[in-house]
Amino acid sequence: SQTIHQWPATLVQPVGSPLSLECTVEGTSNPNLYWYRQAAGRGLQLLFYSVGIGQISSEVPQNLSASRPQDRQFILSSKKLLLSDSGFYLCAWRWDANEKLFFGSGTQLSVL
Amino acid sequence: GESVGLHLPTLSVQEGDNSIINCAYSNSASDYFIWYKQESGKGPQFIIDIRSNMDKRQGQRVTVLLNKTVKHLSLQIAATQPGDSAVYFCAENPRVGAQKLVFGQGTRLTINP
Repeated sequence: SQTIHQWPATLVQPVGSPLSLECTVEGTSNPNLYWYRQAAGRGLQLLFYSVGIGQISSEVPQNLSASRPQDRQFILSSKKLLLSDSGFYLCAWRWDANEKLFFGSGTQLSVL
Repeated sequence: GESVGLHLPTLSVQEGDNSIINCAYSNSASDYFIWYKQESGKGPQFIIDIRSNMDKRQGQRVTVLLNKTVKHLSLQIAATQPGDSAVYFCAENPRVGAQKLVFGQGTRLTINP
């Protein structure tokens, strides 16, 4: 069966520090991968998605970047965090277009 | 489109009653629809989905109805339980082959004892 791992679960970082969130998927190959952000009590904002290794599509210009160094690994990064980067970050995958998304457990990021 | 900046609407129901959560979509080319449940501090969980060639699909205690004429999707939860308290999101696939789902703003379901 397929599983998605996302870590850490919570993270507190000072403003100006770097960020690296990692997501891995097991039990499938060549998944479509996604990073979402969710502010408290709000909806889901798509940040990046990838349909293959090294292929990244950015949805919202901002302080973040994403990379896919391996087929089942998706990384969200920042060189210098801003207060506005705080939020709940969710990784998700699916087999292909026209299919449902499966979400990870999320990372609660607080930038102070 | 995505409504990430809006506060969530809330639906309160009595335990044991049926709940109906509604979602409107605007794209007549959308061919696939999904309902997710998100509990506090967790990632969204898949509940049920429906393709555009169907009007109704049933799962365990849940039913999804699709009305393509008025572009309306609903999730019905039978005999609501305290564990059903969560935020519910609808999502649509805006066209065949689309790489991104479009999510609704979400509805917070609160169960009264």
